[in-house]
Amino acid sequence: EVQLVQSGAEVKKPGESLKISCKGSGYSFTSYWIGWVRQMPGKGLEWMGIIYPGDSDTRYSPSFQGQVTISADKSISTAYLQWSSLKASDTAMYYCVRHSPGGAYWGQGTLVTVSS
Amino acid sequence: QAVVTQEPSLTVSPGGTVTLTCGSSTGAVTSGHYPYWFQQKPGQAPRTLIYDTSNKHSWTPARFSGSLLGGKAALTLSGAQPEDEAEYYCLLSYSGAVVFGGGTKLTVL
Repeated sequence: EVQLVQSGAEVKKPGESLKISCKGSGYSFTSYWIGWVRQMPGKGLEWMGIIYPGDSDTRYSPSFQGQVTISADKSISTAYLQWSSLKASDTAMYYCVRHSPGGAYWGQGTLVTVSS
Repeated sequence: QAVVTQEPSLTVSPGGTVTLTCGSSTGAVTSGHYPYWFQQKPGQAPRTLIYDTSNKHSWTPARFSGSLLGGKAALTLSGAQPEDEAEYYCLLSYSGAVVFGGGTKLTVL
């Protein structure tokens, strides 16, 4: 069974750094793209970027280029999304999603709250 | 970046049929955009209903189907149930970039 398990909710202050994770299981982690999706409170889904863990090929949406870093550690089947300096506007739910072939599988989401 | 458009809201009667559409600012949607459809209920993570235009996951109810229609991707719900009330998002791929539509709020009433 394909599963993506994300790290727990985070509460941070503006300016702090953060790295959240997404651990894949039940499939060959290095053979599928994993994407990150933002959902701000009461808003729609926004695609942030994607990584191919097999060779770490990474692509970003223009809206998120330079704002976040996506990485992966294939030795532990885990993808990451990180910020070097959080802003209040980064408050959102973040989802990881494994892309096709064979469909798209979602993590349960990680709520990030940035507040002073 | 391309813009993906969906109807902001639709209403369907219980047992009725409704079609949600997903258009692209770059022109006709084709199978090469690998259209996806997702369902999201309040407080829940999205779940994938349709991938690659018309393929279903094992959990996708048979009443949902995906297709290309009039230059757009389409999600058709035949025999709507109260539990189908949700937000529906489409997603299109563009040569390595991926864009979500704004979502359609479907009301079953």
